[in-house]
Order: sequence, then C-alpha cells, then structure tokens
Amino acid sequence: QKEVEQNSGPLSVPEGAIASLNCTYSDRGSQSFFWYRQYSGKSPELIMFIYSNGDKEDGRFTAQLNKASQYVSLLIRDSQPSDSATYLCAPTSGGYNKLIFGAGTRLAVHP
Amino acid sequence: DAGVIQSPRHEVTEMGQEVTLRCKPISGHNSLFWYRQTMMRGLELLIYFNNNVPIDDSGMPEDRFSAKMPNASFSTLKIQPSEPRDSAVYFCASSLTLRGILHNEKLFFGSGTQLSVL
Repeated sequence: QKEVEQNSGPLSVPEGAIASLNCTYSDRGSQSFFWYRQYSGKSPELIMFIYSNGDKEDGRFTAQLNKASQYVSLLIRDSQPSDSATYLCAPTSGGYNKLIFGAGTRLAVHP
Repeated sequence: DAGVIQSPRHEVTEMGQEVTLRCKPISGHNSLFWYRQTMMRGLELLIYFNNNVPIDDSGMPEDRFSAKMPNASFSTLKIQPSEPRDSAVYFCASSLTLRGILHNEKLFFGSGTQLSVL
C-alpha cells in the first residue's frame, strides 16, 4: 500500500462547478496535511493546509480532514480554467515531520 | 528574495556519466529537501537536511546517489554512474525550520532540474 493515495485523474469538471479531490494516507502519526498545486512544467506551490478534524475554508478552497478514516479532501468551488493543474496531497510523516507527497490528481476545468 | 535556485535547469547525459545537481536554498532557511518526480512514482522524497546535517536519507534509491550540504547556502545531489531510469525532474525545496512544518510552514520549491539519461 502506498503511503499516500490519490486518484490520478484526469478529473474533468465544467467551469463554475465544484471539484472534489480526495486523498487517503497510511501513517496514523501524520499531524498536518497540505495541498499543493502544480501547473504543468512548474514546481509545486502550497494552497492549503489543515491539521484539525473537520473543514477549513480559504476563499474558493475547502479542505476536509477525517483522521479516524485517514482521509483528507480538497473542494474547489466555482472552478475556473486557471484551476486546471495537478493537486498533490502531502501529509507530514516521520519524527521530523517530513512531507510525503501523493502522486497527484490532475484536474481539468473546461469552459 | 530570489527563492530556491537550482542548476542546471536541464541536463542531458549518457548512461554511466556522473551528474551533479546544485541547489541554493532561501537565505535563512534551515531545512533543505531533495525530491524526485516521475510520472510513474510521483514526487518522492530522497533526502533532507536540517542545519546542514542529513536527517533522513532513506529515500535515496541506491548507493549511486549521494547528497551533501557543505554550508547553509549550498547543496548538491550527485548520481554516479547515472542510468536511464534516473531520468526525472529533481526538485530542491527549503523551509525556515524543520519542526515548523508541523505548524503549517510551507516548503519553497526550486524550479527543478530536468534530467535525461540516454
């Protein structure tokens, strides 16, 4: 079993719709969870983090965490074509809190 | 600040050659990470340093890979000898502290080095 699992996609949604990206992780010791966005040919950039169970909202983005189920998700409301990218889930892992990344879900928002 | 600087941006080499990738972290950042990204395996953590000391190199695939951080402003990742399966994008990232990741401190990534081993 991979440490971090994400559907590779592509997840295709129409402009204005809600995109839902999911992630499961295996390390029960993970404490913080990050979502990075990576445009094609670019480096990853942080868009959201969450460390408490429940929801956390930041603009059009909502992160959801359920530690009991070892599940974290990212919702993007009012999706825009500029949101088209690969979204990487990254829980902390290990005693020194390194980040372990999932393979990413490719999101395609079409007009 | 110029951000994390990696060089070269692209490297094409032949199997068996030595490859050296370079990274300059953001000034004042104490932690440095080397990641490798491929379509098949995604973004893999190879090794990371805190205050120039290697903390965890369990992600280094083989003895052919080595990394050093001789000072706070420079790190290298060396592959000797290189093989075609080493072809990937290699990212260097830095953060202000290591424990800070627990407190939602983000990683700053360099632009990456696209390595092609023929």
